[in-house]
Amino acid sequence: ETGVTQSPTHLIKTRGQQVTLRCSSQSGHNTVSWYQQALGQGPQFIFQYYREEENGRGNFPPRFSGLQFPNYSSELNVNALELDDSALYLCASWTGGEQFFGPGTRLTVL
Amino acid sequence: KQEVTQIPAALSVPEGENLVLNCSFTDSAIYNLQWFRQDPGKGLTSLLLIQSSQREQTSGRLNASLDKSSGRSTLYIAASQPGDSATYLCAVTTDSWGKLQFGAGTQVVVTP
Repeated sequence: ETGVTQSPTHLIKTRGQQVTLRCSSQSGHNTVSWYQQALGQGPQFIFQYYREEENGRGNFPPRFSGLQFPNYSSELNVNALELDDSALYLCASWTGGEQFFGPGTRLTVL
Repeated sequence: KQEVTQIPAALSVPEGENLVLNCSFTDSAIYNLQWFRQDPGKGLTSLLLIQSSQREQTSGRLNASLDKSSGRSTLYIAASQPGDSATYLCAVTTDSWGKLQFGAGTQVVVTP
């Protein structure tokens, strides 16, 4: 059973650019959630995907969008990057019960 | 609106002492509560999951209790070690889809 993986590990972008982050969920887990964690804070729920459909969204603007693929891997896309988007982005896979997180992608927006 | 609070924000203890970490939540209608560990700049490692019908869960030196009616959970770590130094986060789920609502965490330092 493989764990949750994320790529890239680190990313530096400038304001206004677009970014795509990737997540491979744990084997057999069909639900993926994305979280944003600012420094010194707990993770905040962005959205969740179940079987390639968005299944709930937190308080994030539409420039945060996502995809889930048939193999349950997922992407998080952020358009028109702002300085406040600098954070650790975490994905979590789940099929009921315990949730398993990836190592995260550290995004820095300059 | 559910709010999750963890107090204290930071804690320093000498090696061997027992750790007691607190988590409170405002809405008792939760599905479960999960404790996580986070090392600096890293992802989250699941420690314990307590279902809403359970009162406690144990794993090795870790024990977590849940009192839904009072909106509290406590994580106990026995005989702390320097390797236990990390930030500990609690999170609740308030729907059947497992969406997590986190506290801000307690940063723990165990000194040798």
